Amino acid sequence: GAVVSQHPSWVICKSGTSVKIECRSLDFQATTMFWYRQFPKQSLMLMATSNEGSKATYEQGVEKDKFLINHASLTLSTLTVTSAHPEDSSFYICSATEGAGTGAEQYFGPGTRLTVT
Amino acid sequence: AQKVTQAQTEISVVEKEDVTLDCVYETRDTTYYLFWYKQPPSGELVFLIRRNSFDEQNEISGRYSWNFQKSTSSFNFTITASQVVDSAVYFCALSDEGTYKYIFGTGTRLKVLA
Repeated sequence: GAVVSQHPSWVICKSGTSVKIECRSLDFQATTMFWYRQFPKQSLMLMATSNEGSKATYEQGVEKDKFLINHASLTLSTLTVTSAHPEDSSFYICSATEGAGTGAEQYFGPGTRLTVT
Repeated sequence: AQKVTQAQTEISVVEKEDVTLDCVYETRDTTYYLFWYKQPPSGELVFLIRRNSFDEQNEISGRYSWNFQKSTSSFNFTITASQVVDSAVYFCALSDEGTYKYIFGTGTRLKVLA
């Protein structure tokens, strides 16, 4: 099956620094990638949708200047949390689709746990 | 507006019991897709099933079965003879025509006790 990896799996950083999270589709070309955020014991909240070579589309309420998304190739998308603060601590999950149609299955990465001290 | 409701926040059962996880959805579209995912303590989402709106056949996969009823906008998930390894959070999701986005429910935490 299609595999999506994320790196790092966990990261601890100091307040004010920036952190980059990578999402890679290992055995398929991802036409679209998604970034989610999940707080403890809560559901997944979609942050943004990105297509290769174009700007990401952010969900309402998500600060695009704080959460920078780059989808440089069909197999790689990155999320950079800029000037991180403790409230940015969360579980970040990416997913990717290879299909072009509605209802295409999303393949999820294992997630990255970010802790900002 | 699209919405997915998983009214059961947490369920505890004893091993070997059957358990049903409820999912009710709202959408105006006639073409849509429904999904179930499992999220074990490790955090990685595991795909369980995808069902499109035109296929109302129930599905069985081993100990798992799904009951899709358009008349009640429900897509319920049953685990037969539950096992401790089934302990996880289960999410139901909806994807509408014209979008790749998933609308997730709030999840049901299942605890299977030995």
